Amino acid sequence: EDQVTQSPEALRLQEGESSSLNCSYTVSGLRGLFWYRQDPGKGPEFLFTLYSAGEEKEKERLKATLTKKESFLHITAPKPEDSATYLCAVQPMYSGGGADGLTFGKGTHLIIQP
Amino acid sequence: GAVVSQHPSRVICKSGTSVKIECRSLDFQATTMFWYRQFPKQSLMLMATSNEGSKATYEQGVEKDKFLINHASLTLSTLTVTSAHPEDSSFYICSASKRGNTIYFGEGSWLTVV
Repeated sequence: EDQVTQSPEALRLQEGESSSLNCSYTVSGLRGLFWYRQDPGKGPEFLFTLYSAGEEKEKERLKATLTKKESFLHITAPKPEDSATYLCAVQPMYSGGGADGLTFGKGTHLIIQP
Repeated sequence: GAVVSQHPSRVICKSGTSVKIECRSLDFQATTMFWYRQFPKQSLMLMATSNEGSKATYEQGVEKDKFLINHASLTLSTLTVTSAHPEDSSFYICSASKRGNTIYFGEGSWLTVV
C-alpha cells in the first residue's frame, strides 16, 4: 500500500527563518511526487512535480528535492504570505503504465510570524 | 488563473435530498478526472476516478450508488451525492491532469447536509 508521511505536522517560523519540510514515501513504483500548497477552505495549488531521485525544482522562495525515499521542501527567507498547509502526494506507476489518483500525506501546517 | 473549476463552491441541502457538484477543465481536455473528499484538518482522500465515456472507478469503501459520477464530456465531470446525510458533509475537490502530468485541483465545494 502506498504511504506518505509528512513531518513536522506543524511548524512556526519567524519571518526570514529558513527551514525544510519532509515527505517520506513508500510506493510500488513512483510515477511522480507532487507538492501542493493549500490555504484554508481552498483547493490545493500546484507547486512542483518531481520524477526521479536527484531532481530539484525551484519557485521563488521554495525548492523541492527528491531522493528514493523522501522529498524535502526547502523554504528560504519565508514571508507571512507563505503561511499555508503544504501537501505532499505520490502518484504510482502501475504495471500497465497508467497513472492513478494521488495518495496524499496529512500535510505540514506552516505559520510564518512577522 | 484557475484551470480546473468547480461549482457550486458552497451548497447546503436537506437530509435525504441529492446534490450535484460539477468539475470543469477550463482550457484543456481531461480524459480522466479524480474526486477527493477532505474532512477538517485531514488530508485529501481519493474517492473515485472519473473516466470519460466509461464507468467511474471507486476506491475501496466508497459507495458507488451513493456517490454517482458522470464524465459525459472531455471537460466536465459531475459528482452527485444521493440521499445525503449529515455525515456526508465535507469538502469535495476534483482534479484533472494536463499535458506533462501536471495535476491541477479545483477550488473545492463545501457540502453541508442539514
